Amino acid sequence: KAGVTQTPRYLIKTRGQQVTLSCSPISGHRSVSWYQQTPGQGLQFLFEYFSETQRNKGNFPGRFSGRQFSNSRSEMNVSTLELGDSALYLCASSWQQGDQETQYFGPGTRLLVL
Amino acid sequence: GENVEQHPSTLSVQEGDSAVIKCTYSDSASNYFPWYKQELGKRPQLIIDIRSNVGEKKDQRIAVTLNKTAKHFSLHITETQPEDSAVYFCAASPRGGADGLTFGKGTHLIIQP
Repeated sequence: KAGVTQTPRYLIKTRGQQVTLSCSPISGHRSVSWYQQTPGQGLQFLFEYFSETQRNKGNFPGRFSGRQFSNSRSEMNVSTLELGDSALYLCASSWQQGDQETQYFGPGTRLLVL
Repeated sequence: GENVEQHPSTLSVQEGDSAVIKCTYSDSASNYFPWYKQELGKRPQLIIDIRSNVGEKKDQRIAVTLNKTAKHFSLHITETQPEDSAVYFCAASPRGGADGLTFGKGTHLIIQP
């Protein structure tokens, strides 16, 4: 099976702009989670989607949002970008049936906000 | 919410020696504990995980132990090799991905030749 894919891989934006990142999960996986990785804060959970519904959300401001489509592909959006939003954004997919909750990560999208 | 502490932040060992990384967690409801390895510029990759119904799990040179009473779990790597050099993250979750994984800050493992 193909792994988790994310597009774009790199992105440069300026403060105040908005950005949309895309994640395609492993075929058959229904859960997609998003994480932000920075040198200072490490890996932090943003939100998780399952069957097009957001099931849980981390402690991030409302500028961070997401959605999931019927084919399980997911997008996350960040509005009114701030310098501190510069980070590696990782998505992870899992099957989410029984104890099959193992998460597999995509390569990430590296976002630089200038 | 869950809080995961990971130690040490940097670990340097001689090739062939063993390495141990320790994590503690705060939420007694957590029952899933994965470990990820992240090489520079690459995605985190799952190397081993353990659920709360077992105390130890082994996969070749890698083992994880879990003490639910003390709320701590550890990663053990034996006979370390240069390719083991990477950043290792522990994580905990009460419901696997559904509640998101809470990660430790990571351990930079350096294997000295």
